[in-house]
Parts: sequence; C-alpha cells; structure tokens
Amino acid sequence: DGGITQSPKYLFRKEGQNVTLSCEQNLNHDAMYWYRQDPGQGLRLIYYSQIVNDFQKGDIAEGYSVSREKKESFPLTVTSAQKNPTAFYLCASSIAGRPPGLNEAFFGQGTRLTVV
Amino acid sequence: AQSVTQPDIHITVSEGASLELRCNYSYGATPYLFWYVQSPGQGLQLLLKYFSGDTLVQGIKGFEAEFKRSQSSFNLRKPSVHWSDAAEYFCAVALGSNDYKLSFGAGTTVTVRA
Repeated sequence: DGGITQSPKYLFRKEGQNVTLSCEQNLNHDAMYWYRQDPGQGLRLIYYSQIVNDFQKGDIAEGYSVSREKKESFPLTVTSAQKNPTAFYLCASSIAGRPPGLNEAFFGQGTRLTVV
Repeated sequence: AQSVTQPDIHITVSEGASLELRCNYSYGATPYLFWYVQSPGQGLQLLLKYFSGDTLVQGIKGFEAEFKRSQSSFNLRKPSVHWSDAAEYFCAVALGSNDYKLSFGAGTTVTVRA
C-alpha cells in the first residue's frame, strides 16, 4: 500500500543533542514537507522540497535542517540550536508542482519528540 | 500578513445534532481553501477543498463547506454528527497554484456527547 511512513512514533532526547526524524514515501510524489504542530497553534511549515537535492525554508526553519538525496526520503534534523524542540512533527507529500491540498495531500502519522 | 482564524477553540455537540465550524481568512484575493481533520495522535486527512466555481463544496464523511467572499469565510458544516466525528479540525489556505506554504488555522476540537 502506498503512503508516508514516519518513524519513530515517539522520540525522547536529552537537551543539547541533535535528533533526526525519518519520513519515507512510496507515492512517487516529488514534493515533501515538514510541519511542526503545537497545541493551539495549528501547523507551521518548517521546510519543503519540490525536487531531489533542492529544498526551501518555511516559516520556522531556524534550528532545523533537512536533506533530500532521494525522492522517497526527506529526513528532518532537529539541532541543539532549536530553542523549544518538544512538539509533534508531521511530514507530508504532494504531486509535483502542486502544493499540498490542490491534489490530495498525504500526511504521515507524525512523530512526537520530547526533549528532557 | 496572511492569516487564518478559527474563532472556536473547542465545540461540544450532541450526537445527531448539526455542526458548524468557522474559518475566516485575511488575504487580498480569493485563496485556495481547505479543511482537514486530525484524529488524536494521527496525521491529517483532507475533508474538502475550494478553488473556484460553486461556493458550496461537498467533501468526504458527509461534510460540506460554503465559501462566502463577502465575509472572507469558509465554514464547515455537517447536518448530523456521529461519535466518530470527534477530532480536531483545521482550516488552511494557499494563496495560489504556486503557493507551497499552506497556512493553517489553530484548529477547533470537536467533542461529541452521546
């Protein structure tokens, strides 16, 4: 079955450590996205990539980094520079040339990151 | 700056009753409009979308939404709520076909009581 897989579902890290969240899709979508979700704030775009080896900053990119070496994969690294990393992170994908929603957007199940 | 407002943080509705969730946006032109639903600890699922044409849009799970340009609104409705509709609902906008930055509202949590 086609879809987006985020792993792990729950992740705990000590303050000051970098951590990488995985996002894999087998939908043959060119575009992939990372969102951060905090209670009462909806979703905020961190980074997005429209094509392999290219990505753009979203609204809250500071303290995060991404790579897009393969079409299927778009990992997100939460660095120690991110001041408040504890949140729910969602990955999404869409057909090339179309923002999520213009054609049906596919979201992963999310990763809940807790930094202690 | 563009913004999306969902005025109601939490709504409680009885099973079988009607439901309306409000969404207002502030943009110069008509954006692309979406409603998503999120069950606890899950990803988002697209309920419906509006680009142009008929201002009443039908979606999945019996939901519909009406675009009102004069009020800059895109309210979501369901005539009869089921217990499985308990979830968080997000309104989102994109400025156009080249806008990859979907902007989301803060969400409305719907509780369904028996």
